[in-house]
Amino acid sequence: EAGVTQFPSHSVIEKGQTVTLRCDPISGHDNLYWYRRVMGKEIKFLLHFVKESKQDESGMPNNRFLAERTGGTYSTLKVQPAELEDSGVYFCASSATGNTEAFFGQGTRLTVV
Amino acid sequence: DQQVKQNSPSLSVQEGRISILNCDYTNSMFDYFLWYKKYPAEGPTFLISISSIKDKNEDGRFTVFLNKSAKHLSLHIVPSQPGDSAVYFCAASGNSGYALNFGKGTSLLVTP
Repeated sequence: EAGVTQFPSHSVIEKGQTVTLRCDPISGHDNLYWYRRVMGKEIKFLLHFVKESKQDESGMPNNRFLAERTGGTYSTLKVQPAELEDSGVYFCASSATGNTEAFFGQGTRLTVV
Repeated sequence: DQQVKQNSPSLSVQEGRISILNCDYTNSMFDYFLWYKKYPAEGPTFLISISSIKDKNEDGRFTVFLNKSAKHLSLHIVPSQPGDSAVYFCAASGNSGYALNFGKGTSLLVTP
């Protein structure tokens, strides 16, 4: 069974550009999460989808970040325009209904220069 | 404001000995606690969890202990193996939500 996959694994963009990260959760997992780890800090929650609906987006840092999960399958996280402080590793995770144990993808390392 | 704290950034243990990783939390609404293990360039991997209605959960070489009154949990690995060398994250959730609050991690090195 395929795990959570994220694309790309690395992205280097200039300040002011747009980047879109993609996450494919484990098949059948209704819960999908985005997290971010800035260097030297803890992994921080960004938002939680249940199917295609945003259940909790309390961790989204500002309106430059837009997450979507059309059709309740894969999800995208767009950063527009990117700022230097957006650099970090973005993790996607998914879990089955009623389960708190989330399975994480390998992450996308975003560097804004 | 960090609600889950792992105060030891690193820990070194000899192979065969016990590794004890500690975690403290401040939010009394947390009711589910998890430990994740992370290797470089990989995502966190779920290791073991415990509900607040329990004080101990064991899975093979891994045991998690929860002390609710002290708002403290610990992960015991015994016997430790070199392959256990990784960063270990403590995480907590509560308020009927699934969002995980992570600590900063403890880097464990198990030496032969």
